[in-house]
Amino acid sequence: NAGVMQNPRHLVRRRGQEARLRCSPMKGHSHVYWYRQLPEEGLKFMVYLQKENIIDESGMPKERFSAEFPKEGPSILRIQQVVRGDSAAYFCASSPGLSGANVLTFGAGSRLTVL
Amino acid sequence: SQQGEEDPQALSIQEGENATMNCSYKTSINNLQWYRQNSGRGLVHLILIRSNEREKHSGRLRVTLDTSKKSSSLLITASRAADTASYFCATLNSGNTPLVFGKGTRLSVIA
Repeated sequence: NAGVMQNPRHLVRRRGQEARLRCSPMKGHSHVYWYRQLPEEGLKFMVYLQKENIIDESGMPKERFSAEFPKEGPSILRIQQVVRGDSAAYFCASSPGLSGANVLTFGAGSRLTVL
Repeated sequence: SQQGEEDPQALSIQEGENATMNCSYKTSINNLQWYRQNSGRGLVHLILIRSNEREKHSGRLRVTLDTSKKSSSLLITASRAADTASYFCATLNSGNTPLVFGKGTRLSVIA
């Protein structure tokens, strides 16, 4: 039973390029969360999605960032026109749903480096 | 905004000693969870304590929750070098809200 799968694990982009990060939730999980972690920092919530639906995007920057979780396929976090400040580790997590406990299973993360 | 704040930011102890980490939060919670992160890896859930619970145990882990003080502590007994990691508390507020994480405590256990 594979856990949360994220790819790529490492991504290098030049300023102005686009970054696409993918996340396949754990089998049976229908809720996906994206968090960003800067070095020596905690995790900052970005967006919470269910299939074909954004539930909470209060942590997403207003520009250049978008996320989706289509009916088929992985969730995708897209960063357009990347800047050096976007360099971070991006973690995806999933949960079964409205269990009341909301224990998250995390992927290993995607580390974005912007040159 | 960050909800949980862990204290201390960093902790270094000898193998066999106990490690205590604290977490304070600001608003009412549904539950509080502790996660562990090894360097360069994702977070792993350790233990959850509900708002109506005061103490919980899991193996060498002991978690307490004081809702009147809005604080929690994580105790790791008889620490091992393999316990070296960052430990984060995360709070679940009421409603369909995402977990909010603190900045973590970096624990180093020296063999």
